[in-house]
Amino acid sequence: QVQLVESGGGLVKPGGSLRLSCAASGFTFSDYYMSWIRQAPGKGLEWVSYISSSSSYTNYADSVKGRFTISRDNAKNSLYLQMNSLRAEDTAVYYCARGSTYTPPDYWGQGTLVTVSS
Amino acid sequence: QSVLTQPPSASGTPGQRVTISCSGSSSNIGSNTVNWYQQLPGTAPKLLIYSNNQRPSGVPDRFSGSKSGTSASLAISGLQSEDEADYYCAAWDDSLNGHVVFGGGTKLTVL
Repeated sequence: QVQLVESGGGLVKPGGSLRLSCAASGFTFSDYYMSWIRQAPGKGLEWVSYISSSSSYTNYADSVKGRFTISRDNAKNSLYLQMNSLRAEDTAVYYCARGSTYTPPDYWGQGTLVTVSS
Repeated sequence: QSVLTQPPSASGTPGQRVTISCSGSSSNIGSNTVNWYQQLPGTAPKLLIYSNNQRPSGVPDRFSGSKSGTSASLAISGLQSEDEADYYCAAWDDSLNGHVVFGGGTKLTVL
């Protein structure tokens, strides 16, 4: 069965950095687009970034562009999100999710909490 | 401010039928398919409907989806207490090099 397991969240000070990881299993990872989606406490879902199956294409929400970098390692069935210059408004649960071209995600991980606070 | 517009709340009594609307534009719902997700408290979103009206294996047929033009709807018939959750619509948006957009979510209360 499809499994997505995020890790790497935690408490970080404003201006700090964090790297999230997502371990995928149960499907052919290299066949799928992957996305990061976040949810601030008590708020709705916000798309953060996506990466194509071969890493040829990436895209970012304006709110994170220039600060976050998405990457993947198909040999390790893993997705990553490098987050730099973190701000209080980046505080959220971050989900990795599987998708296909031009469609929203189907499977989601359980999420990892990132808290940006001094 | 979410790109897709959903009512913030909906309610119904057990056994009733409830519908949740999702309004978008030509760059998202008007030209791409819609997914619906159910999010129970403290859990990750779960796919409820994909490709406008398809149910994944294991989702009861009490849940149905439809799309017309730039709007979509989720219908829940035979409402049950365990349906109390947040519901989100989502679609691919062709603008800004392509990205996923979400509705703001609808909190469904079973009275």
